Amino acid sequence: NAGVMQNPRHLVRRRGQEARLRCSPMKGHSHVYWYRQLPEEGLKFMVYLQKENIIDESGMPKERFSAEFPKEGPSILRIQQVVRGDSAAYFCASSPPLQGVYNEQFFGPGTRLTVL
Amino acid sequence: QKEVEQNSGPLSVPEGAIASLNCTYSDRGSQSFFWYRQYSGKSPELIMFIYSNGDKEDGRFTAQLNKASQYVSLLIRDSQPSDSATYLCAHGGDYKLSFGAGTTVTVRA
Repeated sequence: NAGVMQNPRHLVRRRGQEARLRCSPMKGHSHVYWYRQLPEEGLKFMVYLQKENIIDESGMPKERFSAEFPKEGPSILRIQQVVRGDSAAYFCASSPPLQGVYNEQFFGPGTRLTVL
Repeated sequence: QKEVEQNSGPLSVPEGAIASLNCTYSDRGSQSFFWYRQYSGKSPELIMFIYSNGDKEDGRFTAQLNKASQYVSLLIRDSQPSDSATYLCAHGGDYKLSFGAGTTVTVRA
């Protein structure tokens, strides 16, 4: 059973370009979460999606960032007009349907974005 | 006030000793608590979860939760060099995990 897959693993962009990060959840998982980890900081929640629905995007910056999880294909985190402050590791996690108080999220290997 | 605070590191312990990690949280409504381990340049991996007051043991790891004090800890017994990593405390409500900044542990051989 393959784990959470993310690609690319490393992404270099120049200021002003667009970055597209992809995440395929574990088989059987319908819930996807995106987190950002800045250098020397913990992970910060960005967005929670189910198929074709954004459930909670309270952690997403108001501008330039968007996320989707289409009916077919991976979840996409899109960053338009990247700036140097967007340089970070972006982790995707997935989980099966929520059960009670225990909600284990399985993390992918991350995409390390560097903005030049 | 940060939502999740962890004791500042780095924490250096000799091989075979006990490493003690502490975490406090501000949201009294939190239901579940997690300890993740993250090796440098890698993704977090879950090592313990706890949602009832008291202790929970799994191998060399023991998690302790005190909801009244809003405190959760992780003890690593018989520390091994392979335990050298950053440990992230997190709590979750329905789905959103809030993480602390992490405590870096180094186990000296």
